[in-house]
Amino acid sequence: KAGVTQTPRYLIKTRGQQVTLSCSPISGHRSVSWYQQTPGQGLQFLFEYFSETQRNKGNFPGRFSGRQFSNSRSEMNVSTLELGDSALYLCASSLGGPETQYFGPGTRLLVL
Amino acid sequence: AQRVTQPEKLLSVFKGAPVELKCNYSYSGSPELFWYVQYSRQRLQLLLRHISRESIKGFTADLNKGETSFHLKKPFAQEEDSAMYYCALLGGSNYKLTFGKGTLLTVNP
Repeated sequence: KAGVTQTPRYLIKTRGQQVTLSCSPISGHRSVSWYQQTPGQGLQFLFEYFSETQRNKGNFPGRFSGRQFSNSRSEMNVSTLELGDSALYLCASSLGGPETQYFGPGTRLLVL
Repeated sequence: AQRVTQPEKLLSVFKGAPVELKCNYSYSGSPELFWYVQYSRQRLQLLLRHISRESIKGFTADLNKGETSFHLKKPFAQEEDSAMYYCALLGGSNYKLTFGKGTLLTVNP
């Protein structure tokens, strides 16, 4: 079974731009969660989508948004990028809830 | 608010020695706790969860509600155990995973 895939793997943007990251879950998985990983703050939960609906949300500003499509693929969007948004963004999928999550390799975003 | 604390950023032991990675949590309800591991150049993956009460790769973890701890233990460390270990708690109104900052374990030959 193919694992969670994320595209692109690396991205360089400048302040003020926006970015869209993509995550394809394991086949059959309906839950997709997003995390931000930075050296200072560690791994922080962004949001979770299940059957195209945002089910849970972390404490991030509204610049961070996401969506999920009918095939369970998910995208995450960050608008008006700030330097502090530089991070590794991880996506994780599971069958139903976050109890048993499978992580993708991450997208490394650098904001200049 | 829920919080997970891993007091050691780095832990170095010799092969064959016992290893204990510490994890303390703060949570008002009944926690569901996990250990995740990330080997070099690999993805973050689930190592074990407390409700399973199983041993994975020789590692065990016991939930101690009195001490609010969930330490990860292995009696005899192997070089292939060298990795970053994260403790995580599932819960809260938004039912999210809260991770500790991680402990980098190095097992020396």
